[in-house]
Amino acid sequence: GDSVTQMEGPVTLSEEAFLTINCTYTATGYPSLFWYVQYPGEGLQLLLKATKADDKGSNKGFEATYRKETTSFHLEKGSVQVSDSAVYFCALSNTDKLIFGTGTRLQVFP
Amino acid sequence: GAGVSQSPRYKVAKRGQDVALRCDPISGHVSLFWYQQALGQGPEFLTYFQNEAQLDKSGLPSDRFFAERPEGSVSTLKIQRTQQEDSAVYLCASSLDWREWTGELFFGEGSRLTVL
Repeated sequence: GDSVTQMEGPVTLSEEAFLTINCTYTATGYPSLFWYVQYPGEGLQLLLKATKADDKGSNKGFEATYRKETTSFHLEKGSVQVSDSAVYFCALSNTDKLIFGTGTRLQVFP
Repeated sequence: GAGVSQSPRYKVAKRGQDVALRCDPISGHVSLFWYQQALGQGPEFLTYFQNEAQLDKSGLPSDRFFAERPEGSVSTLKIQRTQQEDSAVYLCASSLDWREWTGELFFGEGSRLTVL
């Protein structure tokens, strides 16, 4: 079945460092891809998405490009802030529900 | 309310007890989803509704799990004869209309169930 694999955390960075969180997927057809974020004490919320190959999703300085040839959707940010500390979930959808990865915790220190 | 509301936020049950978890979706949202999130894992799909119709319950782990949404708004997830492996955070999410599926779900903060 469809699945998502994320790099394990925690990822620990200093403020203003470059961030990459790897995500690869296995799916039939042409799924849509998503990154969701969970800040401490809050519910999951959509960060960005891409619906077809080569699309780039972006939001709040984060970016991810839908790479069909490598079945990947890596999350990147050029300069992280302390306020980016959260758990990040990669997800895919082939129909009408989301399939999530296990999540990657990001900790950013000043 | 402004967001998805879940109650109780925390529930401790003795093994064998029945529990009921409530979800109030965003007003006007047609679709409602339940997910189970074990410690250190990502959310796992349980079931979803469009209005009062339960369209997919393929993720419910056993017949001890039952969900309903009788009036197409509030939903209840019921777990009968709880077992220790049921300990998890149960997440509810809603979206405006499944016919224009965008993948954007609005999640509540979850109900954390601990079975002793």
